[in-house]
Amino acid sequence: EDQVTQSPEALRLQEGESSSLNCSYTVSGLRGLFWYRQDPGKGPEFLFTLYSAGEEKEKERLKATLTKKESFLHITAPKPEDSATYLCAVRKTSGSRLTFGEGTQLTVNP
Amino acid sequence: GAGVSQSPSNKVTEKGKDVELRCDPISGHTALYWYRQRLGQGLEFLIYFQGNSAPDKSGLPSDRFSAERTGESVSTLTIQRTQQEDSAVYLCASSLGYSHEQYFGPGTRLTVT
Repeated sequence: EDQVTQSPEALRLQEGESSSLNCSYTVSGLRGLFWYRQDPGKGPEFLFTLYSAGEEKEKERLKATLTKKESFLHITAPKPEDSATYLCAVRKTSGSRLTFGEGTQLTVNP
Repeated sequence: GAGVSQSPSNKVTEKGKDVELRCDPISGHTALYWYRQRLGQGLEFLIYFQGNSAPDKSGLPSDRFSAERTGESVSTLTIQRTQQEDSAVYLCASSLGYSHEQYFGPGTRLTVT
């Protein structure tokens, strides 16, 4: 059975304090790993897609990396506006649906 | 351009009533998805439409749930005889095709009393 596990469940940082969020996955035939940001009361906002081990993508203070078993979302010098829940999802080669983890709730204090 | 829109944004209904939720995808997106998000949990796949192909209904939790899509435009998710466990946020997403990233709407928050 496909599984996506995110850790930690919640993370509290001071502004400027860099850290990483983890997404571990078990899936037969990965065709893409996705990161989304979700603010309270809103739908998920697309951030990145990673397709193969070793791939990295960056956007502003965020960098996503991928290995054969997990992905990391690195946050460099975060700001309070980076506070949100970050969701990881995988898509298999045999389908189109996304299987989501339960998310990491990030709070960045000024 | 316009993103995915959903209506209503909030719906409160009594147990046993039927509800219809609407999704308007991004223009030109051939694929459309419905997900459910219970409080504090991740998103749970419900159903997927791709063009004129038969929909993938494998995520629907019971026969009380059904969905339709007219061509490559709007979709409606219908829940019959609602139960309290149906309370959740129902999210719609669309994509250019089955292999592209999905863009989500703001969701409909359903509360069954």
